[in-house]
Order: sequence, then structure tokens, then C-alpha cells
Amino acid sequence: DAGITQSPRHKVTETGTPVTLRCHQTENHRYMYWYRQDPGHGLRLIHYSYGVKDTDKGEVSDGYSVSRSKTEDFLLTLESATSSQTSVYFCAISYGRGTSGANVLTFGAGSRLTVL
Amino acid sequence: KQEVTQIPAALSVPEGENLVLNCSFTDSAIYNLQWFRQDPGKGLTSLLLIQSSQREQTSGRLNASLDKSSGRSTLYIAASQPGDSATYLCAVSLTSGSRLTFGEGTQLTVNP
Repeated sequence: DAGITQSPRHKVTETGTPVTLRCHQTENHRYMYWYRQDPGHGLRLIHYSYGVKDTDKGEVSDGYSVSRSKTEDFLLTLESATSSQTSVYFCAISYGRGTSGANVLTFGAGSRLTVL
Repeated sequence: KQEVTQIPAALSVPEGENLVLNCSFTDSAIYNLQWFRQDPGKGLTSLLLIQSSQREQTSGRLNASLDKSSGRSTLYIAASQPGDSATYLCAVSLTSGSRLTFGEGTQLTVNP
């Protein structure tokens, strides 16, 4: 998990409350991703970013928003948490384009969110 | 839509055995394929990356092969050890720097 820090690592919240998860990297990588991992679904992409202020939706983006105001930080916000958003959330980074090594993803340790 | 399937979902083997994990994908127009390892409660660690132009990659006791035309990849683990116990996931991307599509993984247990 070197170079990527996710916070908080664990959070329990109630339905309807806003939640923000933070991903911080020290690698100066261009690409950052938010995935959620659920039994029976594997890892699914929520949103990703290809640069400061440049973000795009993944396959399960409904109910989530993201922001990237600095290279090192990528925030995932649940505006009004629902029980279906109970999951483990992973942030990942890559430096993208060019050599094969550029596409290797490095993952954070995950943030476990429980919505009651 | 790209779909990635991993079979079996779980595998238990005695220590020292050579084993093969399978990954199949529906869209053969991939850019690369990666194999990851995930330990319980942890994030994913990249093991091997195979570019679409490559047939295989090796790292220590691990060898990953890629057959794009048939939409298949295998991860071969030689002389398995209890420390190899983990969930192994494969993932494919369609373009450089693009998002990955993951399989659900194979949970491997190597028994001493």
C-alpha cells in the first residue's frame, strides 16, 4: 500500500447522511480510481480521474460524486448514503500511457463502509 | 460489455502442488491483462501484467499466459506454498490508462 492512503479505513453511518472517503497518493500518478468490492460482483469501477479536475464515470456511478482539486487527492462522496452502498471501497492509482509498467494499478488498503 | 469470468471460484490444494487458475473474457480486443493477489482484509497487489502483444509473463514461481483470440488467460503457480493462499483476480483493460474490468476471483488455499 506504499504511496496510497485511504481514510477513514472503517466507517459506520446511517441512511441519508453524507459520507466522504479520501484517497491520498504520494506517487504523483496521473490516474486515480475508485472501486467498490461486493460479494457476487467483484470489483466495480465507480469513478476515475485522469488529471486534476478531470473525472469520468465508471459502471456504478449513481449515488456517488468525486472531486480532484489536487494531483494527490481524490475524494469520493456519497451525498445521501443508502444501505446498498455498504461495501468495501478501494482507491487505485496508475501513471497511465506509455510503457507496460505505466498501466499497473496500485491499490490502497480499502475503506469499509457500513450504512445502517 | 466486457465480462471477465474466473473458474474455479475456490481451490484447495496440498503444499508443493503445481496449479493453474483460469480467466476468460468476452471481448478479445483488450489492451492488457493483469493478475492480482488479494489477502483477506487487504487491498490488491499486482502480480503480472501482460500486454496484448505478449503471450506470457513470468515472475518467480508465477507464469501468466494470454491467448487473446480465445479470450483466455491462465496463471500457473509452481510448487505452491501455504503463503500463496489468497484470492487471485484477473482484470482486463481496453485501452492504455483505462479502467479495468475484474473477474470475481479464485480463492486459493494451500494446505501444509
